[in-house]
Amino acid sequence: QVQLVESGGGVVQPGGSLRLSCAASGFTFSTYGIHWVRQAPGKGLEWVGVISFDGVNKIYADSVKGRFTISRDNSENTSFLQLTSLRPEDTAVYYCAKDPVLTAGTPSHYMDVWGKGTTVTVSS
Amino acid sequence: AIRMTQSPSSVSASIGERVAITCRASEDIRSYVAWYQQKPGKTPKLLIHTASTLRSGVPSRFSGSGSGADFTLTISSLQSEDFATYYCQQYYAFPQTFGQGTKVNIE
Repeated sequence: QVQLVESGGGVVQPGGSLRLSCAASGFTFSTYGIHWVRQAPGKGLEWVGVISFDGVNKIYADSVKGRFTISRDNSENTSFLQLTSLRPEDTAVYYCAKDPVLTAGTPSHYMDVWGKGTTVTVSS
Repeated sequence: AIRMTQSPSSVSASIGERVAITCRASEDIRSYVAWYQQKPGKTPKLLIHTASTLRSGVPSRFSGSGSGADFTLTISSLQSEDFATYYCQQYYAFPQTFGQGTKVNIE
């Protein structure tokens, strides 16, 4: 079945870096955009950014622009979220989620499949 | 960024009751709204997209309505498995934004 599995979370000091992975299976990964969404403890959902199916287009939330980078390796069916210059307010569960539209150059849609998330804690 | 304001922030209801959750956008977003259900410690699950299109496999007691700036998620007859937090999301423009969530509690 269609599945997304995040990994790479952990505890990091303020100013540190981390790379999250999102491994996909059960669908043709190279034809769908991937979103990243986060949820701080006890809070709501915050969209972080999206990468198009071919990796050409990447769009970020203002809160992470210049610090986070989304990439993908279609040969490995994996998307990545590189987190740098981390702040305590970046502490959250990070989810990857699939855009539902095939080969969308600008994947601005809802998210039809979500992973279970990986937890990032930024603390000294 | 487009603001999505949900109300109420929480609601208590009994099994079999009808529950309505509203979401107001800060500008016209046509019908580019999705609704998600999230149970504690679990991943969000898509219920409805394009304001009123029920995702395949979602029970028909869930329905969505609205267009422009005002949207509603209705649960026609609340079941025990529906106790969760519900989020609206706009995907009309970047950055995509979510409502703050509505927690549906057992009365």
